[in-house]
Amino acid sequence: GESVGLHLPTLSVQEGDNSIINCAYSNSASDYFIWYKQESGKGPQFIIDIRSNMDKRQGQRVTVLLNKTVKHLSLQIAATQPGDSAVYFCAEPLPAGNKLTFGGGTRVLVKP
Amino acid sequence: DADVTQTPRNRITKTGKRIMLECSQTKGHDRMYWYRQDPGLGLRLIYYSFDVKDINKGEISDGYSVSRQAQAKFSLSLESAIPNQTALYFCATSDSTGVNEKLFFGSGTQLSVL
Repeated sequence: GESVGLHLPTLSVQEGDNSIINCAYSNSASDYFIWYKQESGKGPQFIIDIRSNMDKRQGQRVTVLLNKTVKHLSLQIAATQPGDSAVYFCAEPLPAGNKLTFGGGTRVLVKP
Repeated sequence: DADVTQTPRNRITKTGKRIMLECSQTKGHDRMYWYRQDPGLGLRLIYYSFDVKDINKGEISDGYSVSRQAQAKFSLSLESAIPNQTALYFCATSDSTGVNEKLFFGSGTQLSVL
C-alpha cells in the first residue's frame, strides 16, 4: 500500500451528498479487491469486494468501480450520512497470494 | 460478544520490557493475522498463521514474535519493546482458502512504549 505519511487524505462531504473515494493499486495481476471502513476506536470492517472480471459492483448505498487499464479503484457512497464518517481503506492481495496489502486510507468527514 | 477479542485494549510500557498481546476468536477460522497501524499509514502485516503451529513472517516481523498454540488463539510478543513500536495493533482472522481474503478484525490494542 501507499504511505501517505502522518496526514490522511481527507474528504469533507455534506450530509446527503455522494462521496467518492479513490484508490490506486500497484499489482496489475491482482484479481480481487476489498474496501474496508474503520470507525474511530474500532477495527476495520468489510464493506464490499470486487473481482477483476467485473468493473462495477453495487451494495447497499455503496458502489465499487474498477478500472484495470489505469489500475484504479473507487468507492462511491450515496447519500452520505453521519455514520459514514470513518477512514476507508482499499486492499488487494500481495503478489505471493493469500495475504492482503492495504492502501494508506482516506478519511471521510460528514458535515451536518 | 465480539468474534475477535484482543487484550489488553491499551498498554503503556517502558523501553526494554517484554510485552505480549493476546488475540482469541470464536469464528472457527483457521487463519489469523497480526497487523500494525501507525497514524496516517495503512495496515502493515507483522505475522500470520494458517493453522496451529504454522507461523509466517509478514512485511515487518523484525522485533516481534508470535505463538499459535490453538486454533482460537494467536499471541504477539515484543521481546524488548522500543519506542518506534508504539502503534495500534490489530488481530484479524479469515477462513478463506483461495485468494478472497475477507478479514475480520478485532478492536485493536493501543501500545505505547516510553
